[in-house]
Amino acid sequence: AQTVTQSQPEMSVQEAETVTLSCTYDTSESDYYLFWYKQPPSRQMILVIRQEAYKQQNATENRFSVNFQKAAKSFSLKISDSQLGDAAMYFCAYNGLRANSKLTFGKGITLSVRP
Amino acid sequence: KAGVTQTPRYLIKTRGQQVTLSCSPISGHRSVSWYQQTPGQGLQFLFEYFSETQRNKGNFPGRFSGRQFSNSRSEMNVSTLELGDSALYLCASSLSGGGIYNEQFFGPGTRLTVL
Repeated sequence: AQTVTQSQPEMSVQEAETVTLSCTYDTSESDYYLFWYKQPPSRQMILVIRQEAYKQQNATENRFSVNFQKAAKSFSLKISDSQLGDAAMYFCAYNGLRANSKLTFGKGITLSVRP
Repeated sequence: KAGVTQTPRYLIKTRGQQVTLSCSPISGHRSVSWYQQTPGQGLQFLFEYFSETQRNKGNFPGRFSGRQFSNSRSEMNVSTLELGDSALYLCASSLSGGGIYNEQFFGPGTRLTVL
């Protein structure tokens, strides 16, 4: 079974600074997807960024980028130029490619942004 | 396009009662997945429905059940409620789910409190 580990429960960053959220996972599959989801307080979960395991290039979405290390099974999220609106819970998640694959989440990390 | 909607948004029940939660997916989406979110366990997958059939199931007791209708709307039912069932229940819809990945879009959740 696949597992996703987010070992830091909380992090804090100064507005306009850069922060990196860590995530490791375990799987025996060779192809899969990895995601970072954002869940603002009392608001809906939204997808921040997605990485296909077969792609060596790290995914980037505006201020959000990932550092995907397949051999190390590590998938960290870097948020540049942090904004107050980035304050939220962030979840790392894994999804295999088999028909019966399900989205497996880490425990999440609460990110606060200091003005 | 309207997003994923869930009703009710908040629910208070007592132990032993049963509850039914509803999820309406984005128009055209045929897969609906349900998740339970608690502070202690994080986000855990309950089940996934596709074309009115349960395609995947998590490790929850039989008190948790679901169904999907021909219009892709889904309901989940929890019978004989326990205090530990207090959680935020999220549903997510996607075009087809499983296999080749289709992004899951989450609803706002139903906050269930069991007294």
